[in-house]
Amino acid sequence: AQSVTQPDIHITVSEGASLELRCNYSYGATPYLFWYVQSPGQGLQLLLKYFSGDTLVQGIKGFEAEFKRSQSSFNLRKPSVHWSDAAEYFCAVGAVGGATNKLIFGTGTLLAVQP
Amino acid sequence: ETGVTQSPTHLIKTRGQQVTLRCSSQSGHNTVSWYQQALGQGPQFIFQYYREEENGRGNFPPRFSGLQFPNYSSELNVNALELDDSALYLCASSLWVSGETQYFGPGTRLLVL
Repeated sequence: AQSVTQPDIHITVSEGASLELRCNYSYGATPYLFWYVQSPGQGLQLLLKYFSGDTLVQGIKGFEAEFKRSQSSFNLRKPSVHWSDAAEYFCAVGAVGGATNKLIFGTGTLLAVQP
Repeated sequence: ETGVTQSPTHLIKTRGQQVTLRCSSQSGHNTVSWYQQALGQGPQFIFQYYREEENGRGNFPPRFSGLQFPNYSSELNVNALELDDSALYLCASSLWVSGETQYFGPGTRLLVL
């Protein structure tokens, strides 16, 4: 079955520190992978996506993610976190089957940033 | 270019009532997907509409239904509301291309009492 696991429910980092959010997926074919961010009470904003090609993907707001097929992972990284990065982060896999093009999300990682 | 919009932003209903949520797609997008996000959870796929027809459905009962209109806007209808239907309902629009990015609206917060 297709699934996404985000092992860390909650992470706290200090402003200026580096960040890595973990994401593991289960999918039978080459996946389409996404990271979205959600601020409190808001919808989801796309940070970056992987379809094919270069396994290191650059996104908005200084984020990047690396697709590792051997580990079924797509971890999100940022070298220096800003207080405005505090939000919830969702990893998703695009499941294409039949006539449906849906996203399967993980349960999210809530990021807190300490001054 | 306008993004995805949803209305209303929030509403309160009582158990057993019916509700209609609305979504306007991003300009140029022909596919609309609906997701339910319960508190503390990731979004769960409800269904998707393309060319005014449902072309995929998640694990939701038939009392969840939808429509897509010729201008690609969409409605989500929920009948016989239950307490567990309380959630943030997200609409996403995209092009009908395999793996295409879905762009989300701000959501409608539904509270069922």
